[in-house]
Amino acid sequence: AQSVAQPEDQVNVAEGNPLTVKCTYSVSGNPYLFWYVQYPNRGLQFLLKYITGDNLVKGSYGFEAEFNKSQTSFHLKKPSALVSDSALYFCAVSEDSNYQLIWGAGTKLIIKP
Amino acid sequence: EAGVAQSPRYKIIEKRQSVAFWCNPISGHATLYWYQQILGQGPKLLIQFQNNGVVDDSQLPKDRFSAERLKGVDSTLKIQPAKLEDSAVYLCASSLDGSGITDTQYFGPGTRLTVL
Repeated sequence: AQSVAQPEDQVNVAEGNPLTVKCTYSVSGNPYLFWYVQYPNRGLQFLLKYITGDNLVKGSYGFEAEFNKSQTSFHLKKPSALVSDSALYFCAVSEDSNYQLIWGAGTKLIIKP
Repeated sequence: EAGVAQSPRYKIIEKRQSVAFWCNPISGHATLYWYQQILGQGPKLLIQFQNNGVVDDSQLPKDRFSAERLKGVDSTLKIQPAKLEDSAVYLCASSLDGSGITDTQYFGPGTRLTVL
């Protein structure tokens, strides 16, 4: 069965520093991986996805994520954090034989000025 | 381009009462999803429609939850009767054609349901 884990409930980063939000997954087939962001009182917004190809995926708002097959990870990164990046971040996974997305529990990202 | 619309945004009811949520997807999107998001958890898919047909409702508690998508556009999700554990945010999402996982889902703002 497919699953996804976000090992950190909360990540605190100072503004201007690089940030990483971790995600690991387990699927039996080829993984399709997604990152979404949820701002307070707003719906989930798509950031980026990995389907195939280059392991480094670039997305919205300067975010990127690196697919690592050997470590079954898909960590979200940004070189320089902004206070406005503070939000709840969700990783989701599906496998090529099952289109249903399985979601992580979310990581709260707090960027301090 | 208008996004996914949902109403109401907030709803408070007593247990055993009924409640309905409405969703209007992005124009032209064939696939519509209803998710339940309990506080501190990721979304859980309740039901997926392709046009007005059900693709997946395996996680929908059918004894109390029902959903329909008449004419393949708007959708309603109903809970009857509600239980305390139904307190959650109900998210609606749509995608262009649901033809595969490469099809990005776009989410509405959600309806926050509190059952007392």
